[in-house]
Amino acid sequence: GENVEQHPSTLSVQEGDSAVIKCTYSDSASNYFPWYKQELGKRPQLIIDIRSNVGEKKDQRIAVTLNKTAKHFSLHITETQPEDSAVYFCAASGGRLIFGAGTRLAVHP
Amino acid sequence: EAGVAQSPRYKIIEKRQSVAFWCNPISGHATLYWYQQILGQGPKLLIQFQNNGVVDDSQLPKDRFSAERLKGVDSTLKIQPAKLEDSAVYLCASSLVVMDEQYFGPGTRLTVT
Repeated sequence: GENVEQHPSTLSVQEGDSAVIKCTYSDSASNYFPWYKQELGKRPQLIIDIRSNVGEKKDQRIAVTLNKTAKHFSLHITETQPEDSAVYFCAASGGRLIFGAGTRLAVHP
Repeated sequence: EAGVAQSPRYKIIEKRQSVAFWCNPISGHATLYWYQQILGQGPKLLIQFQNNGVVDDSQLPKDRFSAERLKGVDSTLKIQPAKLEDSAVYLCASSLVVMDEQYFGPGTRLTVT
């Protein structure tokens, strides 16, 4: 069935460093790839998304890349700050949104 | 713009009891989703509505779970009877159209004892 794999499951960085989270998907019909940030006890919130007709998208310190041939997409956070600490979920949709298992990012001052 | 509303926020029930959750999506959003999020996992889609019709319920355990969206606005999700493994956060989300940004509600944390 449809599947999204996400790595790493945990990521610890120093403030100011970059963080990279990678995902792969199985459904070749997927054409919408959002990334959600979920703080402890809170709802998931969209931070950036990309569609299959675009290879890269940036929004300030956040960027997402998509390689449809390899079925890979990645989230890049530069100049990390303590408030970036949260669980990040990638997802892929060809109609139904399938989430990865999440990456717990810890940014240490 | 008001967000997605859900109630109750917390519910504790014993196994074999029944429970219902309510969701009010963002005004004008045609698509409504119910997700189950087990602790430490990503949300898993249970059912997706387009207006008041079901688009996808392939992941809904239909022997115990049911959902409806009468009049294409509010929605209710019911579990009857509940099992221990149903303990999770139930998230409702809505979007203007399919494959658009989904806005999540605060969720209902269900504990089945």
